[in-house]
Amino acid sequence: KAGVTQTPRYLIKTRGQQVTLSCSPISGHRSVSWYQQTPGQGLQFLFEYFSETQRNKGNFPGRFSGRQFSNSRSEMNVSTLELGDSALYLCASSTRQGYEQYFGPGTRLTVT
Amino acid sequence: AQKVTQAQTEISVVEKEDVTLDCVYETRDTTYYLFWYKQPPSGELVFLIRRNSFDEQNEISGRYSWNFQKSTSSFNFTITASQVVDSAVYFCALRGNAGGTSYGKLTFGQGTILTVHP
Repeated sequence: KAGVTQTPRYLIKTRGQQVTLSCSPISGHRSVSWYQQTPGQGLQFLFEYFSETQRNKGNFPGRFSGRQFSNSRSEMNVSTLELGDSALYLCASSTRQGYEQYFGPGTRLTVT
Repeated sequence: AQKVTQAQTEISVVEKEDVTLDCVYETRDTTYYLFWYKQPPSGELVFLIRRNSFDEQNEISGRYSWNFQKSTSSFNFTITASQVVDSAVYFCALRGNAGGTSYGKLTFGQGTILTVHP
C-alpha cells in the first residue's frame, strides 16, 4: 500500500496570507490527524477527523481549520499567517479499529 | 490532562553500545495506548511499537526492546548493539481512549536525539 502523502512538501508564504495543505491517507484508513512540529513546542496535536467529522481539536487558534472529504482525504487551512506558524505540518492516518498512526513526510511551511 | 516526559534530551553513544531511552507518562484514562516513533533526518515519523495499557508484557523486536511498567508509568525503549543508522530523534507518545471509542489525540514527549558514532 502507498503511504500517507502530503502536498506540497515545501511552502513559503508571507505574513497575512492563507495556506491550504493537503493529506491523502493510506488506502482504507478513515481517521486523519494533523500535527504541528516546531523546535520550541515540539509535536502538537491540531485536530483529528473521522468520517468527515472533526473528533478532537488541540489548543490552536481559530485561524487553524481543517476538513475531511468523503474519500478520507483531508485538508488543513491556516488563515492570516503569522511568523510563528512556520513549522513542519504532519498528517497521520489510522484505521477505525487500529490505533497506530502512520505519518506522512510533512509539509514544511515557512512564513516570512 | 495527559503528559509524556522524556528525560533525556540528547544521548551520544559509540556503535555497538546498548542505549535506553526513558519515557514517563501521566494520564487519568483507565485505558490508554503508548507508542514509540523514530524520526530520522528525513523528517517522517516512523511507527515502531504500540502498547496497550492492559498488556504489560515486554516486547523484543530484533535489536529493539521495550519495557512497560504500569506501576511506575514508564515505557522505556532499549536499543541493543546500536548502529549508526539508529541515529534519529525518538518520540514516546500517549493516546487516551476517550468515551470508549478509538478516537483521541497523540500526546508526544519532547523527543530524545540519539547520535550513534562509528
